[in-house]
Amino acid sequence: KAGVTQTPRYLIKTRGQQVTLSCSPISGHRSVSWYQQTPGQGLQFLFEYFSETQRNKGNFPGRFSGRQFSNSRSEMNVSTLELGDSALYLCASSLGGVSYNEQFFGPGTRLTVL
Amino acid sequence: QQQVKQSPQSLIVQKGGISIINCAYENTAFDYFPWYQQFPGKGPALLIAIRPDVSEKKEGRFTISFNKSAKQFSLHIMDSQPGDSATYFCAAETGANNLFFGTGTRLTVIP
Repeated sequence: KAGVTQTPRYLIKTRGQQVTLSCSPISGHRSVSWYQQTPGQGLQFLFEYFSETQRNKGNFPGRFSGRQFSNSRSEMNVSTLELGDSALYLCASSLGGVSYNEQFFGPGTRLTVL
Repeated sequence: QQQVKQSPQSLIVQKGGISIINCAYENTAFDYFPWYQQFPGKGPALLIAIRPDVSEKKEGRFTISFNKSAKQFSLHIMDSQPGDSATYFCAAETGANNLFFGTGTRLTVIP
C-alpha cells in the first residue's frame, strides 16, 4: 500500500507570495491533518479535514488555509508569505471517523521563504 | 504555550543501554499519548501509544510508562541499538486528530 505522498518536496518562495502544497493520503483514509515543523517551535498542528470538512483548527493566522477534495486529497495554502513561514510542512492521514486512529505522516514539503 | 513538555533535549547512550525520555502535560482532556520516531528527511512514524486507562504498555524493546495522577509519561528503550538513533517526539491528543507534540529528543546510540 502506498504511503502518504506530498508534493512538491521542496519549494522556494519570496515574501508576499502565496504557495499551495498538496497531500495525497493513504488509500481509504478519509482524514488529513497538517502540521508545521520548525526548529524553534517544533511540530504544531495546523488543521484537520475529514470528508471535505475542516473539523479542527490550530492556532495559526488566517493566511493558512486548506481544503479537501472528494477523493480525500488535501491542499494547504499560505498567502502573503513571511520569513517565519519557512518550515517543513507535514501532512498525516488516518482512517478518521473514530478517534485515536494512527496518523501516518508523509515526508513533508520543505518551504523556504526568502 | 507548549502543551506537552519533553526532556531531555538530547541523549547519548551506549549500545545495549537503556534510553529514557520523559514528558509531562497539563491538559486533562488529553486521553491518547503516542510516541513518534523521526529520521532525518522523513516524516514522524508512530512507535507506540497508550491510553490513560493503563499504566504501562510494552512493545518489543519499547515501553511507555504512564502516571495519570502526575500527568507524566515516559518512553523506555531497552537494549538501545545504533539504529535507534533518531529524534523522538511524545505527543498527546484529545481524540480530534490534533496531536500536540513535545519538543523532541535527539537520541544518539554509540556503538
